[in-house]
Amino acid sequence: SQTIHQWPATLVQPVGSPLSLECTVEGTSNPNLYWYRQAAGRGLQLLFYSVGIGQISSEVPQNLSASRPQDRQFILSSKKLLLSDSGFYLCAFLRQSSYNEQFFGPGTRLTVL
Amino acid sequence: KNQVEQSPQSLIILEGKNCTLQCNYTVSPFSNLRWYKQDTGRGPVSLTIMTFSENTKSNGRYTATLDADTKQSSLHITASQLSDSASYICVVSTGFQKLVFGTGTRLLVSP
Repeated sequence: SQTIHQWPATLVQPVGSPLSLECTVEGTSNPNLYWYRQAAGRGLQLLFYSVGIGQISSEVPQNLSASRPQDRQFILSSKKLLLSDSGFYLCAFLRQSSYNEQFFGPGTRLTVL
Repeated sequence: KNQVEQSPQSLIILEGKNCTLQCNYTVSPFSNLRWYKQDTGRGPVSLTIMTFSENTKSNGRYTATLDADTKQSSLHITASQLSDSASYICVVSTGFQKLVFGTGTRLLVSP
């Protein structure tokens, strides 16, 4: 079966510190992968998506970057965190079917102080 | 502009009662509409997904309807349980990989 993992589950970081969030998928090969951010009281916002190793598309200009060093690994990074980077970060993968449905990971709660 | 609006923003109901959540969308082109349940601090979990030709779809006590002409969808929950307390998110797909998310309805089921 296909599963998706994210870590850490929660993170508290000071302003200006670096960030690395990791997402891995099991049970599928060459998945499309996505990073979303969910701010309090707001809908999910697509940050990045990747259709293959080394292929990253950015949806919104921001302080974050993404990388895909391996087929089933997706990393969200920042060199210097801002207060506005606080939020709930979700990774998702696309399951190929007639619906092309996205399945979400458990999320990472990031608080920047 | 592609938008998905949900109502109400929040809702409190007594355990055992039914409720209906609404979703209106202005998304083009339309591919499919999904309802997700998101427990606090967790990732969204898919409840139903419907294409243009599907008017209704059920998943246990959850029944979603879709009216593609009026661009409206509803999610009906019957015989609510405490575990139904969560946010319910309506998501419309414009096509491959492009999703438009609503801000969700926060449901609290009270004993």
